[in-house]
Amino acid sequence: KAGVTQTPRYLIKTRGQQVTLSCSPISGHRSVSWYQQTPGQGLQFLFEYFSETQRNKGNFPGRFSGRQFSNSRSEMNVSTLELGDSALYLCASSFEGRVSYNSPLHFGNGTRLTVT
Amino acid sequence: SQQGEEDPQALSIQEGENATMNCSYKTSINNLQWYRQNSGRGLVHLILIRSNEREKHSGRLRVTLDTSKKSSSLLITASRAADTASYFCATAGANNLFFGTGTRLTVIP
Repeated sequence: KAGVTQTPRYLIKTRGQQVTLSCSPISGHRSVSWYQQTPGQGLQFLFEYFSETQRNKGNFPGRFSGRQFSNSRSEMNVSTLELGDSALYLCASSFEGRVSYNSPLHFGNGTRLTVT
Repeated sequence: SQQGEEDPQALSIQEGENATMNCSYKTSINNLQWYRQNSGRGLVHLILIRSNEREKHSGRLRVTLDTSKKSSSLLITASRAADTASYFCATAGANNLFFGTGTRLTVIP
């Protein structure tokens, strides 16, 4: 079974631009979560999607948005990029069928975003 | 905040030694999970222990959970150079999963 795939692996953008990151979950997984990882803040939860609906959202500004498609693939978008958005963005999928975390998360290798 | 905090922040040991890292949290949980992250990669799930369990084993890993003290420990026995990574605990509440700050483990060959 293929793992979680995130594209692109690396991305360099300038302030003010926008960016779209993509995540393909493990086949059969309907829950997709996004996390931002920085040395200073650690792993911060962005949002979680299940069956195309945002089920949970972290404490990030509205510049961060996401969506999930009918095939469970997910994208996240960051508009008006700031230097502080430089981070490793991780996507994780789960077989979880309801809002709880009794199943492990399966992570992709992330997209390293650098904002200059 | 429910976020777990690992202790120590960094740990350096010789190959063959045991490594112990701890996680403390603040609110009640449904389960606690441990993940490993190699540099620049995604996290890999190691073990999940439910709130009504006290100890769990998986290969060279042993996890304990003390809900009265709101703490957990991860023991890696007979460490190998390949165990070098960052280790995170994650606490699962009703509808959230919070990751701790991680312990950076270095195993010296």
